[in-house]
Amino acid sequence: ETGVTQTPRHLVMGMTNKKSLKCEQHLGHNAMYWYKQSAKKPLELMFVYSLEERVENNSVPSRFSPECPNSSHLFLHLHTLQPEDSALYLCASSQVLDRGGVYTFGSGTRLTVV
Amino acid sequence: AQKVTQAQTEISVVEKEDVTLDCVYETRDTTYYLFWYKQPPSGELVFLIRRNSFDEQNEISGRYSWNFQKSTSSFNFTITASQVVDSAVYFCALSEGYGNNRLAFGKGNQVVVIP
Repeated sequence: ETGVTQTPRHLVMGMTNKKSLKCEQHLGHNAMYWYKQSAKKPLELMFVYSLEERVENNSVPSRFSPECPNSSHLFLHLHTLQPEDSALYLCASSQVLDRGGVYTFGSGTRLTVV
Repeated sequence: AQKVTQAQTEISVVEKEDVTLDCVYETRDTTYYLFWYKQPPSGELVFLIRRNSFDEQNEISGRYSWNFQKSTSSFNFTITASQVVDSAVYFCALSEGYGNNRLAFGKGNQVVVIP
């Protein structure tokens, strides 16, 4: 049990579908992150929420839409994705005021776009 | 510019051999933190160690050891007497002394331990 739970673990969706990825943390952290991990590529930071406010959006296409309703939950809403969006999507959390704070990661959602 | 460089992409070793993973970082800050994470096949990144820039002591934890050298901007990781369970991707990461502790990851080292 990592303290950060992601659902679903696997997701196959068509390019016209709409789906959402969910992340929940029970660590009392106040920052949450979405990362994309594609084969043969480094981890890409997509979004950062600090104290429930989005503080970073790294040029991510609008077909990805994050939502952070409270400090424990983070969603990634997906619509009209492309096959190149197939990847492992990792959620992480940390304590934002703790400099050098350790990130705790979830197990990820393996997304396949067909 | 890449802030964390892990040059070796895939490393294969025979069980019980030692393996060293190189990590070279780049920063202008005097205060920063370095990390190593392990990503087993299950997917989640597991925290292994954090080191701040003012602590250059090397560290040993069981079969794992870390060598931090500020003079060469390196934070290398050695697994001694490797085991099959060590097969994973290992990431080095840097957090600089500004903003919201953003982690910059290297590309990772895929370690394959052959029984």
